[in-house]
Amino acid sequence: DAKTTQPPSMDCAEGRAANLPCNHSTISGNEYVYWYRQIHSQGPQYIIHGLKNNETNEMASLIITEDRKSSTLILPHATLRDTAVYYCIVLRNFNKFYFGSGTKLNVKP
Amino acid sequence: GAVVSQHPSWVICKSGTSVKIECRSLDFQATTMFWYRQFPKQSLMLMATSNEGSKATYEQGVEKDKFLINHASLTLSTLTVTSAHPEDSSFYICSANSGGADRDNEQFFGPGTRLTVL
Repeated sequence: DAKTTQPPSMDCAEGRAANLPCNHSTISGNEYVYWYRQIHSQGPQYIIHGLKNNETNEMASLIITEDRKSSTLILPHATLRDTAVYYCIVLRNFNKFYFGSGTKLNVKP
Repeated sequence: GAVVSQHPSWVICKSGTSVKIECRSLDFQATTMFWYRQFPKQSLMLMATSNEGSKATYEQGVEKDKFLINHASLTLSTLTVTSAHPEDSSFYICSANSGGADRDNEQFFGPGTRLTVL
């Protein structure tokens, strides 16, 4: 019961911005959107999270639509090390994360 | 900060034996810890939620008698796979939630433990 939909894979040229979309049309008003990524055979790494407003940190930017039904994670200057599976997660009750299938981002030289 | 470790990083065992995996929060106190399982080329599946000093809450379809979880302190949770069989071979990942004021729902993930049952 992931409540999110993401494209299975995307390609991005090294140095360009990577824009990863996520649909969460059934999100409730107080549910946060979290983004994590998982590099092969490692634990997931936190990227960013938000509720209503757009957010930016040293890794990425998160753009959430006004109706909150979708969001986009932006990696401003993708590098080869950004190749990973990116998960968009809507935080449900009791702090539980239910992972969807994610987007495999392939950054190419 | 906010580092979570797991031990062992990989383990191979014979069918029918039990295996214990440890999850530790190294620099913070984890009020809640979570256990996930990940099969090859699949996403993470939440198995259970554990709070320090209380019984774990298992997700639907996860056998509590097979996957024993103990959260005896604020920095340690253990997952024991009892009577392991080849179908239990998987990547087991834990995470911890500090419950702090800032980003208090963020989960910090361990590096994972790869279990292979022969």
